[in-house]
Amino acid sequence: DIQMTQSPSSLSASVGDRVTITCRASQTISSYLNWYQQKPGKAPKVLIYAASTLQSGVPSRFSGSGSGTDFTLTISSLQPEDFATYYCQQSYSTPYTFGQGTKLEIK
Amino acid sequence: EVQLLESGGGLVQPGGSLRLSCAASGFTFSTYDMSWVRQAPGRGLEWVSSISASGDTTYYADSVKGRLTISRDNSKNTLYLQMNSLRADDTAIYYCAKEDGSNFHYWGQGTLVTVSS
Repeated sequence: DIQMTQSPSSLSASVGDRVTITCRASQTISSYLNWYQQKPGKAPKVLIYAASTLQSGVPSRFSGSGSGTDFTLTISSLQPEDFATYYCQQSYSTPYTFGQGTKLEIK
Repeated sequence: EVQLLESGGGLVQPGGSLRLSCAASGFTFSTYDMSWVRQAPGRGLEWVSSISASGDTTYYADSVKGRLTISRDNSKNTLYLQMNSLRADDTAIYYCAKEDGSNFHYWGQGTLVTVSS
């Protein structure tokens, strides 16, 4: 199985900050990497798919990069509504696996 | 507008069974692969199972193989998860998700399954 490791597990930041979350796969997954945002009590929603493609309707302050084993999610200027938990997920092969999550909190 | 509405969750004793349903609307259900993803209380996301658009091909996480069965009825636009031999560690919110280009593009609101005596 492909293991996905996110870092950090939690992060405190302020509105307006630039934030980067990293995700590492235990083997190469090409660009089969997706990022999700989940707010408390809500279902996850996809932000970025295929490593760098912004889902329709997602603000352009979100961006993704990487290929192979190392990936990043960047939020260029944090907004109040961005405080949530973020997950990466590989769709290269089953079992599809998620990172453990990064909880982004207000400083 | 895509809508996925799960139902069938509840409290069940260890060793018991449940069948979850996910009613889909707003898209051509029969042309999309579908999945179940779960989230234990306070924990992260875990992929459970996927099924091809036609229903011919299924995939399972090792943790559920032999106990949970995914299926679909394209004439009713409905996805199912038959859950047998349930264990305490199956306690979770179960989400159905529409796949699109290898990502979980749309999610339902989830249904809670609690396995406890």
